[in-house]
Amino acid sequence: AQTVTQSQPEMSVQEAETVTLSCTYDTSESDYYLFWYKQPPSRQMILVIRQEAYKQQNATENRFSVNFQKAAKSFSLKISDSQLGDAAMYFCAYRGYSGGGADGLTFGKGTHLIIQP
Amino acid sequence: GAGVSQSPSNKVTEKGKDVELRCDPISGHTALYWYRQRLGQGLEFLIYFQGNSAPDKSGLPSDRFSAERTGESVSTLTIQRTQQEDSAVYLCASSFHGASNTEAFFGQGTRLTVV
Repeated sequence: AQTVTQSQPEMSVQEAETVTLSCTYDTSESDYYLFWYKQPPSRQMILVIRQEAYKQQNATENRFSVNFQKAAKSFSLKISDSQLGDAAMYFCAYRGYSGGGADGLTFGKGTHLIIQP
Repeated sequence: GAGVSQSPSNKVTEKGKDVELRCDPISGHTALYWYRQRLGQGLEFLIYFQGNSAPDKSGLPSDRFSAERTGESVSTLTIQRTQQEDSAVYLCASSFHGASNTEAFFGQGTRLTVV
């Protein structure tokens, strides 16, 4: 079974600075997808960014980018120019290539991101 | 609807009672997932529906848990004889065709408290 590990229960960063959230995973598959989800206090899970394992280029979405190291099974999220609205729980997730069911999204335990004004 | 809708938003129930949680997926989404999120934890997969195929129930923690979905419409998650350990947020998500790279859209969850 796939596992996702987020080793930082909580991170704090000053507004406008850059922060990196770490994520490692374990899988025997060669094709898969990785995601970062944001969960604010409203409980609504919001997709931040996704990465296909077969792509070498790191995904980027505005201020959010990832550092995907396939050999090391590492998938970190970098948030540049942190804003107060970025404060939330961030979950790293893995999804097998075959799709749903037991291959459905496997989540890490999350990192609580605090933005200091 | 515009998004995934779950009801109720919050539910407090006495130990031993049955509860039913509802999920309205986004129209046209064939795949529907239920997850459980305990306090301070990540999301734990419970069950997956894809169209009219038999659901994948491999994540259900016990026979007290069951879920139904008719076609590509509403799903209900039922917990019988609730226990305090069932207290958690139950999240529903839907996606189009269940393809691996297709974003799963989540509802806001039902917070279940068993007293």
